[in-house]
Parts: sequence; C-alpha cells; structure tokens
Amino acid sequence: SQTIHQWPATLVQPVGSPLSLECTVEGTSNPNLYWYRQAAGRGLQLLFYSVGIGQISSEVPQNLSASRPQDRQFILSSKKLLLSDSGFYLCAWSPLGGPGLHNEQFFGPGTRLTVL
Amino acid sequence: SQQGEEDPQALSIQEGENATMNCSYKTSINNLQWYRQNSGRGLVHLILIRSNEREKHSGRLRVTLDTSKKSSSLLITASRAADTASYFCATDTQAGTALIFGKGTTLSVSS
Repeated sequence: SQTIHQWPATLVQPVGSPLSLECTVEGTSNPNLYWYRQAAGRGLQLLFYSVGIGQISSEVPQNLSASRPQDRQFILSSKKLLLSDSGFYLCAWSPLGGPGLHNEQFFGPGTRLTVL
Repeated sequence: SQQGEEDPQALSIQEGENATMNCSYKTSINNLQWYRQNSGRGLVHLILIRSNEREKHSGRLRVTLDTSKKSSSLLITASRAADTASYFCATDTQAGTALIFGKGTTLSVSS
C-alpha cells in the first residue's frame, strides 16, 4: 500500500530564516506530486506540482521554491521566510495521469508552519 | 484562480439528519472530486465523479453533477458526529494543469 510522509509536523521559525519541508511517498512509482498551502479557515492554494524528477511547475509567484531530487521525494524551500508564509502546508500525490486528467490525490498529514 | 465555490460556508445539524453541500464551478471539467478534512489534518478523498456521470454513491454519500449548471452537490445521509469536518470540492479542468480546490464547507454534527 502507498503511504505519504511529511516532516516536521510543526515548525516555528523566525522571519528571515530558511525553510526546508520534506515529503516522501512509498509504495508507488512516478507519482504526480503537489505542495499546497492552507491559510487559517481558507481553502487550499496550489503552490507547486511535479510530474517527474526535476520537473517543477509553479502556480503562484512567491517566496518559496520546490525541488524533486528523487522520484518519490518532494521538497519545499525558502531562503528567507516572511510572516505571510505562515500556514498549513500539505503534500499530496496522485497516480501519473496525462495533462488535464488528474486522478484522486492522497494527502500527507501536513506541516503547521508559524513564522514569528 | 478560484474554480470551485462551496455553499454554504458552514452547516450545523443534528445527528441523524442529512447534510447537503453544493459546489459551483466556472469552466468545463474532466472530473469533480470531494474531499474531507478533519481539523488540523490532511485531506481525505471521498468520491470522484466524471463529467459524463450524473450521480454517484459511496456508502452514505451521494454526489450529483449537473454540467449544464456547472454545479455539484454532496449529500451525507444519516449524519454522525464523526462526520464533523470541512468538505472541499476540487475540479480538474480541461484546460488546467492540476486540481483546483474550493474554500470548503465546515460541517458540524452535534449529538
């Protein structure tokens, strides 16, 4: 069976500090991978998605970047955190699908980031 | 960009009652999905309905899709306290590159 891991579960960081959140998937190959951010009481904002190693698409311009160094590893980073980067970060995977045809997504437990 | 919009934003009911949530979207879709999120947790996939389907059932869940009105509804029958959560619709647009989620409906079921 497939599982998705995210860490850390919670993180408190000062403004201007770097960030690295990691997401790994087990039990599947060639997944589509996604990073979302959810502000308090809001819906999900898609940040990045990846259809393969080294292939990253960004949905919104921002202070964050993503990388996929391995097939089942997805990393969200920032060089200098802003207050507005606080939120709940969710990683998800879905079976590989063609453009415009996305299957159900399976979410990790999330990382609660607070920037002070 | 916002594609799906759930309605109502919040819903409070008693155990045993039915809960209905609606989702409207703007552009043509390949499929529409519903997810549940318990407080502080990740999302869990509930059901997927394709654009050529009109109704789908899964246990106590019933989803309808009306592509002419660009809307979908999620019905939870005989609700339980454990159904308390936020529910999101997500659309896979024909022109898009990824799922787009709405802001969700927060359901509270009291015993």
